[in-house]
Amino acid sequence: NAGVTQTPKFRVLKTGQSMTLLCAQDMNHEYMYWYRQDPGMGLRLIHYSVGEGTTAKGEVPDGYNVSRLKKQNFLLGLESAAPSQTSVYFCASSSGRRTEAFFGQGTRLTVV
Amino acid sequence: AQKVTQAQTEISVVEKEDVTLDCVYETRDTTYYLFWYKQPPSGELVFLIRRNSFDEQNEISGRYSWNFQKSTSSFNFTITASQVVDSAVYFCALSEAGTGNQFYFGTGTSLTVIP
Repeated sequence: NAGVTQTPKFRVLKTGQSMTLLCAQDMNHEYMYWYRQDPGMGLRLIHYSVGEGTTAKGEVPDGYNVSRLKKQNFLLGLESAAPSQTSVYFCASSSGRRTEAFFGQGTRLTVV
Repeated sequence: AQKVTQAQTEISVVEKEDVTLDCVYETRDTTYYLFWYKQPPSGELVFLIRRNSFDEQNEISGRYSWNFQKSTSSFNFTITASQVVDSAVYFCALSEAGTGNQFYFGTGTSLTVIP
């Protein structure tokens, strides 16, 4: 029962570096999401996808890009990391708006 | 405007006390879904309950119970006889059927149960 798996779990980047976070789900879910969690701010949606080949912006998309080339995978890219992107990133998937989302274990990213 | 408000930032209770976590939501949709998630110190997010807008029956699951009141736009969560393992951050979330494709999360309530 893998569910939602995020890679990596921890990462330290220097300002200006780029990286890609990988999210994989094995539940055949159509919807996938990337959230960031910051102290006192709950979870804020970065980007989401309602199916293979589709992506859409969420609440805080600036500085991030995403791709969903395969149904089971949702990639989050940081083009030029900034200290403001230091956060815990969560990927989630669901079968639709009406059902609960299942979350990965999170990726703790520090940008120095 | 915040769609989901969890006004209690932090709560501390002594073990075996009852505690209620408040959640107030805002939506214009007539069909919507409400959720509670638990985030223990280990960091993962654990789904607890889902409720749709047409079902106002209270739900009980062991020591957990949920009170959904459309008249006050609230979906409160009560833990009876709290235990140390209940210490976590609890998030309330809203999903609207009519518009958008996302879950709106509150800012969370950090619960500490003191032994």
